[in-house]
Amino acid sequence: DTGVSQNPRHKITKRGQNVTFRCDPISEHNRLYWYRQTLGQGPEFLTYFQNEAQLEKSRLLSDRFSAERPKGSFSTLEIQRTEQGDSAMYLCASRAPLSYNEQFFGPGTRLTVL
Amino acid sequence: AQTVTQSQPEMSVQEAETVTLSCTYDTSESDYYLFWYKQPPSRQMILVIRQEAYKQQNATENRFSVNFQKAAKSFSLKISDSQLGDAAMYFCAFVTNAGKSTFGDGTTLTVKP
Repeated sequence: DTGVSQNPRHKITKRGQNVTFRCDPISEHNRLYWYRQTLGQGPEFLTYFQNEAQLEKSRLLSDRFSAERPKGSFSTLEIQRTEQGDSAMYLCASRAPLSYNEQFFGPGTRLTVL
Repeated sequence: AQTVTQSQPEMSVQEAETVTLSCTYDTSESDYYLFWYKQPPSRQMILVIRQEAYKQQNATENRFSVNFQKAAKSFSLKISDSQLGDAAMYFCAFVTNAGKSTFGDGTTLTVKP
C-alpha cells in the first residue's frame, strides 16, 4: 500500500452532468477527509468520515454534493448537476487512528466543468 | 471558526540561503495542531513539519524548523540551506483534534540557483 489514491485524476464534464470521484485511503486509516482546492488558494474542508460515519459537513457542501464511505474503506464524492463554479481540484486525505492528526493526501481529481 | 493567514504570496531565496515563511492564525481553541505542507507543481501535498500547540518547544525536521508563538498566534517556517527541490507552494494549516483542517492561501517559494 503506497498511499492515498484518487480516481480519476482528471475529469472534464459539461454543465449539468453528474460526476463521481473515488478515494482509496491508506489501509487501516479510519479517518478520511475531502477538500476542494481552487487555483491560487489553499484547500477548503468539505467533509470527513470516521470509518463509515460522516461526522461533519462544511456549509460549502451544497445539496448537490454527497459523499459516502459505505464500508469504512474507500469513499466516493458525487456532484450532481455540475456548475462551472465546481471546477476545482478535489483532494482526499486519510489519517491513522491515534496519530498526531497527520493527514496523508492523495494526488487529487481535477474537475473541469465546461 | 478558525482563520489562517499567509501574508506572503511569493517568496524567493538563493540556493543554500535561509528563508522564513510567515503564518498567523486566529482561534479560540486551546488544543490544536499546526502543520506546514509542501505542494510541488502538479504534485500532491506532503507534510513538512508538525507542531502540537501544547508543546512549547519548537519543532525541527532536518533543515526545516518552526517558530511557534502561541500567545501571538504565529507559526513561521524556516528553511535553512535551501535546495532547488524546496521550490513549491507552502501551506500553513490549523488542525483541530478531530482533524478538521483550515489552510492558508499558500506561499509560492522560488529557489534561485
